[in-house]
Amino acid sequence: GAVVSQHPSRVICKSGTSVKIECRSLDFQATTMFWYRQFPKQSLMLMATSNEGSKATYEQGVEKDKFLINHASLTLSTLTVTSAHPEDSSFYICSASNRGLELFFGEGSRLTVL
Amino acid sequence: GENVEQHPSTLSVQEGDSAVIKCTYSDSASNYFPWYKQELGKGPQLIIDIRSNVGEKKDQRIAVTLNKTAKHFSLHITETQPEDSAVYFCAASNFGNEKLTFGTGTRLTIIP
Repeated sequence: GAVVSQHPSRVICKSGTSVKIECRSLDFQATTMFWYRQFPKQSLMLMATSNEGSKATYEQGVEKDKFLINHASLTLSTLTVTSAHPEDSSFYICSASNRGLELFFGEGSRLTVL
Repeated sequence: GENVEQHPSTLSVQEGDSAVIKCTYSDSASNYFPWYKQELGKGPQLIIDIRSNVGEKKDQRIAVTLNKTAKHFSLHITETQPEDSAVYFCAASNFGNEKLTFGTGTRLTIIP
């Protein structure tokens, strides 16, 4: 079946640095990708919708200048957490749509900010 | 916007027994209701889904029922096995926009 790959799976960074997480659809083209954040023992919360070739749409309360999303190709979307702080530590998960037929989730990226 | 509530938050079931998880949603425009299984440190995995034109769907030991009038849907797992232990999330969306609203999750523990 279709696969969505995230990289890195785990990342530890110092406070104030920026971290980039990649989301790739491996065997299909995804015009739309979604980014979620999940805190421990909580549900997935949608952060933004990433559209290939256009600006991302952010959910209410998500700072677009802090969470930069780039969807430069039909198989790759990136999430950059800028000037990360300990409260940004979370599990970040992307999903990609196979032309609306089905949503596939990545394995997630655990970010720890020291 | 859509609001999805899920119950119970934790559920312990003896191996071989059945488990039922229930969700309610608020947006009558929602027409796609998937269920996901999430194991520790991993992304969610789709286990079954149902669309609004169907009242019930079954796949081996897993079944989902949908009551659009009451705006609730349920996951049924029969003959539970230890590997069924995980966190389960329901979700809802208007399939056209693919944006999922997730329930709060149910931690299912199967007792051997």
